[in-house]
Amino acid sequence: AQSVTQPDIHITVSEGASLELRCNYSYGATPYLFWYVQSPGQGLQLLLKYFSGDTLVQGIKGFEAEFKRSQSSFNLRKPSVHWSDAAEYFCAVVQNYGGSQGNLIFGKGTKLSVKP
Amino acid sequence: NAGVMQNPRHLVRRRGQEARLRCSPMKGHSHVYWYRQLPEEGLKFMVYLQKENIIDESGMPKERFSAEFPKEGPSILRIQQVVRGDSAAYFCASSPGRWETQYFGPGTRLLVL
Repeated sequence: AQSVTQPDIHITVSEGASLELRCNYSYGATPYLFWYVQSPGQGLQLLLKYFSGDTLVQGIKGFEAEFKRSQSSFNLRKPSVHWSDAAEYFCAVVQNYGGSQGNLIFGKGTKLSVKP
Repeated sequence: NAGVMQNPRHLVRRRGQEARLRCSPMKGHSHVYWYRQLPEEGLKFMVYLQKENIIDESGMPKERFSAEFPKEGPSILRIQQVVRGDSAAYFCASSPGRWETQYFGPGTRLLVL
């Protein structure tokens, strides 16, 4: 079965520092991959997505992610974190087996804290 | 262009009552997905609907839960005879087509007393 793993449950970084959030997926073919961000009590906002083409994807709010097929990874990065980036981040893949109709499979999320 | 709308944002029900959650997709979107977010479990797919059709309900509990997306009006997720374990955040997402990007609403937080 397809799965998404976010190994880090909670990460704390200093404001202005760089950030990398890890995401690994299990799927043989080229997956459709997404990163979403959720602030407390809010819905999910799409940061970026990868369907095909250039493996380095630019998103909103200065985020980028790189698809690496050899490592089955789609890590999210930001060169300089702002205090407003504190939130929970979810990696997701479109389910593509067993008669799926395109629903998303989510990782369990990484909570990002930003210290001054 | 308004985003995905969900109401109510918060809903409190006593055990045994019915909960009715509404989702209005983005303009031009005719595909709706419902997900449930339980503490410590992350987001799980429940059901996928297009106008007047349930396409995939493989993630929805067989009993007490139902969903619809009528020709006119919002999609509705209905939970009958709620139990405390139904307490969760319920999100809907809409997309313009199958396999396309899904945009999420703000969610409905259901609390069962």
